[in-house]
Amino acid sequence: AQSVTQLDSQVPVFEEAPVELRCNYSSSVSVYLFWYVQYPNQGLQLLLKYLSGSTLVKGINGFEAEFNKSQTSFHLRKPSVHISDTAEYFCAVSDHNQGGKLIFGQGTELSVKP
Amino acid sequence: GAGVSQSPSNKVTEKGKDVELRCDPISGHTALYWYRQRLGQGLEFLIYFQGNSAPDKSGLPSDRFSAERTGESVSTLTIQRTQQEDSAVYLCASSQALTSASTGELFFGEGSRLTVL
Repeated sequence: AQSVTQLDSQVPVFEEAPVELRCNYSSSVSVYLFWYVQYPNQGLQLLLKYLSGSTLVKGINGFEAEFNKSQTSFHLRKPSVHISDTAEYFCAVSDHNQGGKLIFGQGTELSVKP
Repeated sequence: GAGVSQSPSNKVTEKGKDVELRCDPISGHTALYWYRQRLGQGLEFLIYFQGNSAPDKSGLPSDRFSAERTGESVSTLTIQRTQQEDSAVYLCASSQALTSASTGELFFGEGSRLTVL
């Protein structure tokens, strides 16, 4: 069965600094990978996804993530964060054999300070 | 409606009572998920419906939890004899099937906040 580990529960960062939110997954088969974001008092929404093809995927709001199969990682990055990026970020995985069942990590709380 | 609709948005109940939470997915979405999000924690998978296949119930924490779905429409999550540890936000999400023509993106409802006193 697949699982997802988000290595940092909280990441404080100053505005305009770069940020990386780490995600590692465990699965015995090929996977699809996702990052979702939950802004304060809002529902979850898709940030970006990797299904196939280029290992570097770009999402909304200037975020990008790189799929690294050998390291089973899918870290999320942004070169310069804004106050408005303050939110909870969830990494998720589904494997090709489970028909799309999506398993989420525990989340990383990104706090951007002025 | 345009999005995933959940009701009630808030539910306060007494320990030992049964509760029923409802989810209306986006029309045409074959997949429907229930997740639980406890305060300050991540999303805990509960159950997954995909079309006419048998549901994946592997995440249900105990036999007090059950869920049903009518065809490809409404789903209800039932918690019997509620306990204080059941207090959480219960999130429903729906998606199209993951195919070459669909990304399988999940669309989430606003959640039902359950408080068990």
